[in-house]
Amino acid sequence: DVKVTQSSRYLVKRTGEKVFLECVQDMDHENMFWYRQDPGLGLRLIYFSYDVKMKEKGDIPEGYSVSREKKERFSLILESASTNQTSMYLCASSLQGTGNTIYFGEGSWLTVV
Amino acid sequence: GQNIDQPTEMTATEGAIVQINCTYQTSGFNGLFWYQQHAGEAPTFLSYNVLDGLEEKGRFSSFLSRSKGYSYLLLKELQMKDSASYLCAVLASGGSYIPTFGRGTSLIVHP
Repeated sequence: DVKVTQSSRYLVKRTGEKVFLECVQDMDHENMFWYRQDPGLGLRLIYFSYDVKMKEKGDIPEGYSVSREKKERFSLILESASTNQTSMYLCASSLQGTGNTIYFGEGSWLTVV
Repeated sequence: GQNIDQPTEMTATEGAIVQINCTYQTSGFNGLFWYQQHAGEAPTFLSYNVLDGLEEKGRFSSFLSRSKGYSYLLLKELQMKDSASYLCAVLASGGSYIPTFGRGTSLIVHP
């Protein structure tokens, strides 16, 4: 059974803190993604990676960075959290090539106070 | 640029049929996904269409017309558990594996 696991389901962080969101997939997928989801705005792509150590900016990369040191793990980093980064963050993965199903993790609800 | 439109919210009665539309304008086309997302949960895959026509999968069917930039998701014999958000996502330019998502349609099924 496919599995994308996000390390934290709910987090509360203070403004200015460095935040790490971890994601692990056990399907040997090449592609991994980080989205954020906000009411009325839908899913927006932050960053994606198509291979180890490779990363590409998505639609809203400002304020975020990512790390992919191993194929199964893709981390999202908020260098200095701000209140406008309060959101639900979704990690996803897929096989290389077009048309392949994207599998999502359960999501991480981040509140920045 | 890419533009994907879905209705924001729909309501329907248990046992009925509902059609959720999605229109898109993208630079190239390489397939369209439908996902279901219950409140507070991850989106789960429902269907993928790359050729014109209707694909049926149990109570759910998905239709695509590439020439019209149009798709719909048809849900039959609605159940209360079908209350969820339904996301349309399009793969744009050739070879792309990164879908662009619409804002989702919140479906409320009432008794």
